Formats: sequence, structure tokens, C-alpha cells
Amino acid sequence: AQSVSQHNHHVILSEAASLELGCNYSYGGTVNLFWYVQYPGQHLQLLLKYFSGDPLVKGIKGFEAEFIKSKFSFNLRKPSVQWSDTAEYFCAVRLTGGGNKLTFGTGTQLKVEL
Amino acid sequence: GAVVSQHPSWVICKSGTSVKIECRSLDFQATTMFWYRQFPKQSLMLMATSNEGSKATYEQGVEKDKFLINHASLTLSTLTVTSAHPEDSSFYICSRLLQETQYFGPGTRLLVL
Repeated sequence: AQSVSQHNHHVILSEAASLELGCNYSYGGTVNLFWYVQYPGQHLQLLLKYFSGDPLVKGIKGFEAEFIKSKFSFNLRKPSVQWSDTAEYFCAVRLTGGGNKLTFGTGTQLKVEL
Repeated sequence: GAVVSQHPSWVICKSGTSVKIECRSLDFQATTMFWYRQFPKQSLMLMATSNEGSKATYEQGVEKDKFLINHASLTLSTLTVTSAHPEDSSFYICSRLLQETQYFGPGTRLLVL
């Protein structure tokens, strides 16, 4: 069965530090990849997505992610985090041709300290 | 992105009662909507895919008689938790599809006493 792994469950950073959150998936076919963010008390919001083309995807709020097919990875990065980036981050994968079902990772709770 | 609302945002009910949660697509029509469940400190698990005008498609292990889904219009899908028990307490989230991307509602927190 398809699975999505997020290795870091809790990350604590100081403001201006660089961020990289790992995401790996197990499916070998063609996939679409997503990162969602859930700020405290708010609903899930789309940060960025990858369907095809340039494997380096830029999203909102200065986030980017790189799809590395050979590593089955889609890591999320931000060069300099802000206190307002404190949130939970979810990686999600959809199999192309598998309907629109999303499989989510377990999430990474990011806390940015001043 | 698409705008999705849910009502109520939270509900407390007694064991054995039924609870209905509404999910509305406010800006675009939605032939397909999704229902997820999120346990504390865990990820979202897809419960079912709601299809306008037809039966919902349930994921393996989800009781269709327990979690009734109705998608009677292009802007509204409802999830009814029938004969709710404390183990049904959870955070229920719906989403809708727009250009192959799911956009999520704010969620409904259900507490069954």
C-alpha cells in the first residue's frame, strides 16, 4: 500500500534559521505531490504542489520544495523562517490515475522561536 | 483556491445520538467532495469520497451505515454520524476538488459524551 513518511515530527528553530522538512513516499508510479500547512486554529492551506515539469517548485510565503524522483522525496524548504511559520506541515501524495485520493504523511509540527 | 465552509465548527453530543455535519463549497460547484478524519497528533485519513447525485465511495474499514454521506447538490455534502459513541470523537474535515487540487474546510470537532 502507498505510504507517505515525514521523518521529523517536531522541529524547533530560531527565527531566520533555514528549514528543511523531509517527505518520502513509497509508490513507484507517477504521482502528484503536495505540501499543506495548518496554522494554529486554522484549516489546512495549500503551500505548493508538483504535477510535472521543473522539479523545484515554489509556493507561497517563500516556501519551495524539490521533487527527486530517484529518492521518492519531496522535501520542503525555506531559507529563513519567521515566527509566523509556526504551524503543522503535511506532505500528501496522489497517484495519477488513482482517482483523487490523497495520502497524507503524519505531519511535522514546526515551532519557530523568537 | 476554492473556499469551503463547514458547519458546525464544533459539536458536543450524548452517546447514541446522531450528528450531521455540513460541508459547503462557496465559490465553485463541486461534483466531488471528500471527508477526512483526523485523530489527535495524527494525520488525516480519508473516510469517503462524496459524489453529487450518486452514492459515496467509502474507504476500507469505514462503516457506511455509521457515517452516512449525502451529496444532494453541487454545493453541499453532509456527513451524518449515526448513533455516535465516544470513540467517534474526532476532528472531521471535508475538502473539494478544484483543478486536481483539494481545498479544505475548517473542520468540525465532535465530542461524544
